[in-house]
Amino acid sequence: GAGVSQSPSNKVTEKGKDVELRCDPISGHTALYWYRQSLGQGLEFLIYFQGNSAPDKSGLPSDRFSAERTGGSVSTLTIQRTQQEDSAVYLCASSVNWRNTEAFFGQGTRLTVV
Amino acid sequence: GNSVTQMEGPVTLSEEAFLTINCTYTATGYPSLFWYVQYPGEGLQLLLKATKADDKGSNKGFEATYRKETTSFHLEKGSVQVSDSAVYFCALSDNTDKLIFGTGTRLQVFP
Repeated sequence: GAGVSQSPSNKVTEKGKDVELRCDPISGHTALYWYRQSLGQGLEFLIYFQGNSAPDKSGLPSDRFSAERTGGSVSTLTIQRTQQEDSAVYLCASSVNWRNTEAFFGQGTRLTVV
Repeated sequence: GNSVTQMEGPVTLSEEAFLTINCTYTATGYPSLFWYVQYPGEGLQLLLKATKADDKGSNKGFEATYRKETTSFHLEKGSVQVSDSAVYFCALSDNTDKLIFGTGTRLQVFP
């Protein structure tokens, strides 16, 4: 597609359930980022990928969070045993493999844990 | 570690007023610096960038100069419009390609 695509756009889940969030980056972009934006908060870095490898996982809030990327393209962020504090907008972005180029953001997945 | 600090908002201005949103950074080496903007109901998008010291990024009347001596990248606009109302994020890209954002500053412009 022309831009970064995230699915679902909205997800309501019960506390304790697992959820998977998907990101389709722009074709040819080797760098892929996941961020979390909570109400009234800034962008919290979660993890980023260069190709299929994740050089920095330091932003993942707990071991309930994991992410993978396959084929240097689609990425999945998985949250196990969701908690109410996981409610937020999860943003994905991609960029070409060069640090001074633009990152393109998806519209995000709004996760609500009830 | 590397980080970005922005002034807290909201910043409330009348139309045609002068805008400054402060941003300072902490980083090793020579990061690239960015301003991203998030308009209501839309995704984040790049506003401007600067890749080395003394570079000035500009777009849509906004400007920011990469000041290594003060580790700053303040965003300015001479005359804001109602349509500039948005959340503005300062960011840096460090030598590992990790993109780090500030907490964002909400700008509200009234007619």
